[in-house]
Amino acid sequence: EAGVTQFPSHSVIEKGQTVTLRCDPISGHDNLYWYRRVMGKEIKFLLHFVKESKQDESGMPNNRFLAERTGGTYSTLKVQPAELEDSGVYFCASSRQTGTGNSPLHFGNGTRLTVT
Amino acid sequence: EDQVTQSPEALRLQEGESSSLNCSYTVSGLRGLFWYRQDPGKGPEFLFTLYSAGEEKEKERLKATLTKKESFLHITAPKPEDSATYLCAVRSTGANSKLTFGKGITLSVRP
Repeated sequence: EAGVTQFPSHSVIEKGQTVTLRCDPISGHDNLYWYRRVMGKEIKFLLHFVKESKQDESGMPNNRFLAERTGGTYSTLKVQPAELEDSGVYFCASSRQTGTGNSPLHFGNGTRLTVT
Repeated sequence: EDQVTQSPEALRLQEGESSSLNCSYTVSGLRGLFWYRQDPGKGPEFLFTLYSAGEEKEKERLKATLTKKESFLHITAPKPEDSATYLCAVRSTGANSKLTFGKGITLSVRP
């Protein structure tokens, strides 16, 4: 099966600009997550979709970040306007919905965002 | 708040030299502990899930174990291709299903 796909792999933008990251999860995976790794820090949770609904967005840093998952398939994460501290690697992950809610997450290769 | 601490930060081994990576965790209730491997420029790749103290899982040269406070990833007779960053993450009981990660351990295996 095809893995989680993220686009673009790299993005360099100037402070104040807008960037949109895209994630295509594994087919059939209802759960979709966004995570971020800032240099020197651990991978941190941003938000979780179940199909098209936001289940948990407690990790979103502020209202400059907007995530959508229209139709419950692919997802986008928009940063507007970007700030220097938004630089990092943004990972998308997906998983099956199970009765235990304990299926492992499968990650994409990430989008490396650099804000100058 | 869930916390995960991994040690050491980096580990250099000679090929064939066995060792263990440590993951200490604090959660209100453990639903699962996950080990991932990450290669440069790639996303984390799932290795194991452990659910309860005393559980062990093996895959090739890797064996993961779990106690109530920590998990170990034992690497037996490592090869250069085992060089990677190994990440530990926990999922706690409760409504949400997010993972909380440690910073990872960078393993280098010299031939």
